[in-house]
Amino acid sequence: EVQLVESGGGLVKPGGSLRLSCAASGFTFSTYSINWVRQAPGKGLEWVSSISDGSSYIYYADSVKGRFTISRDDARNSLYLQMNSLRAEDTAVYYCARGGLYCSGGSCYPRPFDYWGQGTLVTVSS
Amino acid sequence: EIVMTQSPATLSVSPGERATLSCRASQSVTSNLAWYQQKPGQAPRLLIYGASTRATGIPARFSGGGSGTEFTLTISSLQSEDFAVYYCQQSNNWPNTFGQGTKLEIK
Repeated sequence: EVQLVESGGGLVKPGGSLRLSCAASGFTFSTYSINWVRQAPGKGLEWVSSISDGSSYIYYADSVKGRFTISRDDARNSLYLQMNSLRAEDTAVYYCARGGLYCSGGSCYPRPFDYWGQGTLVTVSS
Repeated sequence: EIVMTQSPATLSVSPGERATLSCRASQSVTSNLAWYQQKPGQAPRLLIYGASTRATGIPARFSGGGSGTEFTLTISSLQSEDFAVYYCQQSNNWPNTFGQGTKLEIK
């Protein structure tokens, strides 16, 4: 059974930092692209970042570019999101989701997310 | 950025009836359109991808249609567990973008 379990959320002050983790099981983690998608309270879904298998390709939403860093550790079957310079508008549930990226011939294309974790809440407030 | 617009915002339907949800893209996304279901306090679940292909384990009462800029999700006979929020997502262009959601509620 595919499982994605996020952790690391919490309350942080504006300008602060937080590191989210996502532990994967039930599939060959190293062969899949993995993503972060967030959802502000009572709002819709927003894609945040994608990382390809092998970490060759990384993409960010403009809203987080330069502040967030996605990474993965295939030996630990884990995905990470380092979030710096946090703002109130970053407050959301952050989901880890599988898929989301297809790369071929040096180009990558977005794709649907087939499995999602339960999410971890990040609250940015003074 | 491609803007996805879903309608209606809320749809009230009785159990056993048919529900049709709409999604419009601001420019063509060919058939790179997915639908997700989200229940309160839960993660989204992939229902449909490629505009019309059901994901693994999704019941046949869910069907997707359309191409280009106009898409629909149809639930043929609503079950109690189908009342939820539904999102469409385009994966034709970066960044992939979601619609604002349609809440399907019990009439």
